Amino acid sequence: DQQVKQNSPSLSVQEGRISILNCDYTNSMFDYFLWYKKYPAEGPTFLISISSIKDKNEDGRFTVFLNKSAKHLSLHIVPSQPGDSAVYFCAASRPNFGNEKLTFGTGTRLTIIP
Amino acid sequence: ETGVTQTPRHLVMGMTNKKSLKCEQHLGHNAMYWYKQSAKKPLELMFVYSLEERVENNSVPSRFSPECPNSSHLFLHLHTLQPEDSALYLCASSPARTMNTEAFFGQGTRLTVV
Repeated sequence: DQQVKQNSPSLSVQEGRISILNCDYTNSMFDYFLWYKKYPAEGPTFLISISSIKDKNEDGRFTVFLNKSAKHLSLHIVPSQPGDSAVYFCAASRPNFGNEKLTFGTGTRLTIIP
Repeated sequence: ETGVTQTPRHLVMGMTNKKSLKCEQHLGHNAMYWYKQSAKKPLELMFVYSLEERVENNSVPSRFSPECPNSSHLFLHLHTLQPEDSALYLCASSPARTMNTEAFFGQGTRLTVV
């Protein structure tokens, strides 16, 4: 049973426009959420995170929104740039477990069209 | 460069071979992890080590045998693997296993079992 779901395997966005990547989760115990970005032939790198006590976290062009009632989070990238083309993974953890029990989604491949 | 180095980057092995994957981090982290990434599946946590002691083994078959001789090095010993074990194996580290912090991933070893 997949507790973190990224239902869009791929997404294409025009350069300069907004990219919105979505993630749904089923376990209401999750209290910390992260987004990782992965280029081909590289390992995932951390992008941005959000605690369940917040509903928004912003870092430059990247903003993560958390809707706890809907068990949904989204990553907004604006403006999108060609270098943003990568696979994006959503991940979630439970209280007091941190990375010990990190649950990942299957990823969304984002392609930015020049 | 994330500070986590994995070798080899690619490995092809027969089902009767024995091989080892190596991971090294010099970030001063206390926790290290092995993940498996198969096509179209989420990253699966295989093993967690904290201060060189194994904390978690997520029901991984015994043909995968981890070793953590010190806080900077982690190995994954492989023997009598099956073709379905072909995947990308990722090592990661974090300051502490239960903290809500980002994990730093290596570039991975692409394993093919023939």
